[in-house]
Amino acid sequence: NAGVTQTPKFRILKIGQSMTLQCAQDMNHNYMYWYRQDPGMGLKLIYYSVGAGITDKGEVPNGYNVSRSTTEDFPLRLELAAPSQTSVYFCASSPGTVIAAFFGQGTRLTVV
Amino acid sequence: KQEVTQIPAALSVPEGENLVLNCSFTDSAIYNLQWFRQDPGKGLTSLLLIQSSQREQTSGRLNASLDKSSGRSTLYIAASQPGDSATYLCAGHSGGGADGLTFGKGTHLIIQP
Repeated sequence: NAGVTQTPKFRILKIGQSMTLQCAQDMNHNYMYWYRQDPGMGLKLIYYSVGAGITDKGEVPNGYNVSRSTTEDFPLRLELAAPSQTSVYFCASSPGTVIAAFFGQGTRLTVV
Repeated sequence: KQEVTQIPAALSVPEGENLVLNCSFTDSAIYNLQWFRQDPGKGLTSLLLIQSSQREQTSGRLNASLDKSSGRSTLYIAASQPGDSATYLCAGHSGGGADGLTFGKGTHLIIQP
């Protein structure tokens, strides 16, 4: 059982480049989330989805976009990367809002 | 807006000691509170989930409590071991919506052999 899988694990981007962070879960969870974690800080919610075709903004959505075409996949798109987007990105899924969330291993992104 | 604070930010104790990590939150209308463990360069592992109707949860040497009236949760670790060294994060889910968890900044725990 793979759980939540994120790719890539590491990436270096130049300012202005774009990329997509991939997230897939095999637990048939309806709820999926993207968080970012800056050094010494807690995780902050970027976007979330309650099911295929439904997404909504979290606390820090600027500079990001998401889509949810299937239950399994929830990619995060960075357009015009900026140094402020240097962070570790975590994807998570949950079967419900009051059920424990499962996290991926993270993607460490550096924008130079 | 829910805010979560964890004290202390860092803690170093000798092996074998019992210890308590603290978490406070501002919105008492909390649906659940979850404790996670994060190892360096790794993702988050869920340790314990306490629903709003519960007062505590236990798993092995770990016990977490929730006091909504005071806005506090504690994670008690019994007979600490070097393998317990990690960052511990607490996160609350409030409002009943699907808008994710609000995290504290974590407590970095070191257990000295």
